[in-house]
Parts: sequence; C-alpha cells; structure tokens
Amino acid sequence: GAVVSQHPSWVICKSGTSVKIECRSLDFQATTMFWYRQFPKQSLMLMATSNEGSKATYEQGVEKDKFLINHASLTLSTLTVTSAHPEDSSFYICSATSDKKGTQYFGPGTRLLVL
Amino acid sequence: AQTVTQSQPEMSVQEAETVTLSCTYDTSENNYYLFWYKQPPSRQMILVIRQEAYKQQNATENRFSVNFQKAAKSFSLKISDSQLGDTAMYFCAFMKHVGNTGNQFYFGTGTSLTVIP
Repeated sequence: GAVVSQHPSWVICKSGTSVKIECRSLDFQATTMFWYRQFPKQSLMLMATSNEGSKATYEQGVEKDKFLINHASLTLSTLTVTSAHPEDSSFYICSATSDKKGTQYFGPGTRLLVL
Repeated sequence: AQTVTQSQPEMSVQEAETVTLSCTYDTSENNYYLFWYKQPPSRQMILVIRQEAYKQQNATENRFSVNFQKAAKSFSLKISDSQLGDTAMYFCAFMKHVGNTGNQFYFGTGTSLTVIP
C-alpha cells in the first residue's frame, strides 16, 4: 500500500515553455501533498505544501506564479513550471500523506531538463 | 525553528557488518515524529523506519533499528547485517503537527552509505 506515482518521469523542454508534472496517490487518499526540489547530492528542498481544495502554501523564496500547484482531488496534485528556464532544470519529487502520523510516501521523481 | 543535523556526509561498511548513522535535531516541541528515509541510486525515497516521540521503545524494522534519545535529541539508525542493496543516501527527518491540518517536515542533509562487498 501507500503508492505514489509521478508523471512524467523525464521531461526535456525548450526555454519559455510550461511543463506540468502530475502526482497521484494510487491506493490512498492524500489529505496533504508536498512538492520538493532536489539538486544532485543534496537534500530535499520543500517548495510547497498543498491540501486538497485549498491554495498551496509556498516556502520562502519559491515563486508561486512560477510554480503553480493545483490539488484538485484527494488523489491528484499537479505542479506546473511556467515559462521554464535552464535554471529550473532539476529533480522534482512529490509526496503524500494521509494520516496524522504524518508519514510521507514519495513519488519516484521527475527529471526536468530545460534547454 | 527546527533543525536536523546529520554530521556524517559519507560512510562505508563491509557487507554483513553493522553500521550506525547519526542524527540530531533541535526542537522545543514535545510531540513529534522522526523518520529515516533511504534514497538509492534510482532516487526513489523509501521509508525505512518511523518513531513517535511519545514512545520510549525504540522502533525496529527487521535489520533496521533506531536509538532514540529524546532528552539528548538524538535519533541514530543502526543497520545490522549490511547488504549491498543498503547502499544509498539516508535522510533523517523530523515532523511536527501545525494546527489542525498541517504537518511540517524537516530533512537532514543526508548520509551517503556505501556497502563494500
């Protein structure tokens, strides 16, 4: 149980285009989903926290107009990188939690390369 | 603010031996949760073990166990009978409840563990 999927796993795009990443909890309802960014050999950097049906809470320094998060249902959250630039190239990971114990179950991640 | 410190950036262990990864944290909270996550080369984050702060008994999951010292704010991970598949980055994490619906998570910087055959 507690499987989280992410799609796509790999995306290459041109500078200036927008990219949407989907995060789904496959076998549980996720009350909260998290979006992280990870640079090589570094820890996870929390970008935003989203609860179903409400606006995402962004961490300091993360542009909410740049990284649009939609948590439309208890099993789906999306992250849209708008007008992507090469510096947005990174590994993006989502996670979901369903209980008060707060265990996060992670998706497999999405590698984004902006040319 | 909560901080999580992993003071060992890299470690290695011989296959079948035991290794301990250290983690300390700073908090003024009394109720919280602690986690160890493993990130192998595939980069999939995998939950290794979880500890509730209100429980005195150390959590155990097969070859993985923790030494939770609440007063010292220490949460080390012991891996027994190390296997090649244990080679990964290990992250210690702290979680506290915020309000009625929120949780705040804090990750350490990670320890890269290599199991040597």
